[in-house]
Amino acid sequence: ETGVTQTPRHLVMGMTNKKSLKCEQHLGHNAMYWYKQSAKKPLELMFVYSLEERVENNSVPSRFSPECPNSSHLFLHLHTLQPEDSALYLCASSQEAGVWTTEAFFGQGTRLTVV
Amino acid sequence: QKEVEQNSGPLSVPEGAIASLNCTYSDRGSQSFFWYRQYSGKSPELIMSIYSNGDKEDGRFTAQLNKASQYVSLLIRDSQPSDSATYLCAVHQADKLIFGTGTRLQVFP
Repeated sequence: ETGVTQTPRHLVMGMTNKKSLKCEQHLGHNAMYWYKQSAKKPLELMFVYSLEERVENNSVPSRFSPECPNSSHLFLHLHTLQPEDSALYLCASSQEAGVWTTEAFFGQGTRLTVV
Repeated sequence: QKEVEQNSGPLSVPEGAIASLNCTYSDRGSQSFFWYRQYSGKSPELIMSIYSNGDKEDGRFTAQLNKASQYVSLLIRDSQPSDSATYLCAVHQADKLIFGTGTRLQVFP
């Protein structure tokens, strides 16, 4: 089983739908992240959780709502999305948030299409 | 000014050649630097990390860091077609991992 697992791998949703992305890490890490990857743009950090507490919200619209029930699981709840929100959403984990030698390990991502 | 800057490419090199990928960053206080490889449709995969000035070698990969010039590079020796991917430079800045847009490398037989 891979270290960081994301489901679903692909998601198509209408602008009025509500859906959730799930991430699970099996590495014993204390920090988890959501990144957005759009074509021709760098990976954009959305949220950072350290020991289940949100430590960073990078000016993300409220239609994206994260949830971290424990240090192994991270969710991204989606509602009333726009077509420009279509992207690859990547979950990552690292040993500690904010430690300068930490390395991030990524899940396979969820390819989201908003129609 | 972009925080982490890379040439988007594509960088095309023949099989067996050395591929040189470059990255510059804006925050002089950055302390740790990473190279990720991302195949099309896949997630980024860590291939190298470097924390101090100089060279760090791992197999066919060599990372080079020059903090005075705010420059980090990745050399791939004996390039193979399987090295064809997008290479992302990432810099740890102010408790965040900031990525460049990536350089697409194409290795042709």
